[in-house]
Amino acid sequence: AQTVTQSQPEMSVQEAETVTLSCTYDTSESDYYLFWYKQPPSRQMILVIRQEAYKQQNATENRFSVNFQKAAKSFSLKISDSQLGDAAMYFCAYRSGEPRGSTLGRLYFGRGTQLTVWP
Amino acid sequence: DTEVTQTPKHLVMGMTNKKSLKCEQHMGHRAMYWYKQKAKKPPELMFVYSYEKLSINESVPSRFSPECPNSSLLNLHLHALQPEDSALYLCASSQGLAVYEQYFGPGTRLTVT
Repeated sequence: AQTVTQSQPEMSVQEAETVTLSCTYDTSESDYYLFWYKQPPSRQMILVIRQEAYKQQNATENRFSVNFQKAAKSFSLKISDSQLGDAAMYFCAYRSGEPRGSTLGRLYFGRGTQLTVWP
Repeated sequence: DTEVTQTPKHLVMGMTNKKSLKCEQHMGHRAMYWYKQKAKKPPELMFVYSYEKLSINESVPSRFSPECPNSSLLNLHLHALQPEDSALYLCASSQGLAVYEQYFGPGTRLTVT
């Protein structure tokens, strides 16, 4: 089964600084998708960024970018110019690109990293 | 429009009550999901519907009963719940099971007394 590991239960960053959240995963598949979701205290899970495994280029969405290292099975999220509104729980997630049987429809989540942003 | 709505936002119910959670999306998505989430934990998958048919039931107790009356609507019927069922219940949808993006609703905070 696919596993996703977030080794940092908590992180903190000063406003306007940069922070990197770590995620590693274990899979034998070659085709898959990776995601970072943000869940602020308002509770809604918001998709921050996605990465297709077949793409070598790292995904970027405004202040959010990833460092995707396929061989190392690493998928870290970099938040630049951190803002108070970035404070949230961040979940890394994996989805098979060739889903079948028990993997159809499944997102495999890490345990999350709680990010605090200090003014 | 990438909106998934859920009602109610909060629900308090006794162990003998019957209540329902509702989820709605108008994005034309054909797969819908129920998740249970405890505080500071990742969401746990409960049920998956694809084209209005139940595709996955993660061995959820029968006191939780899902229903998908049409492609836009997903219900979760609750009966004889236990205090440990108190959690945030999240609904999500995606274009299909094999398509990768799931969009989540804001959740229903359930408290069982």
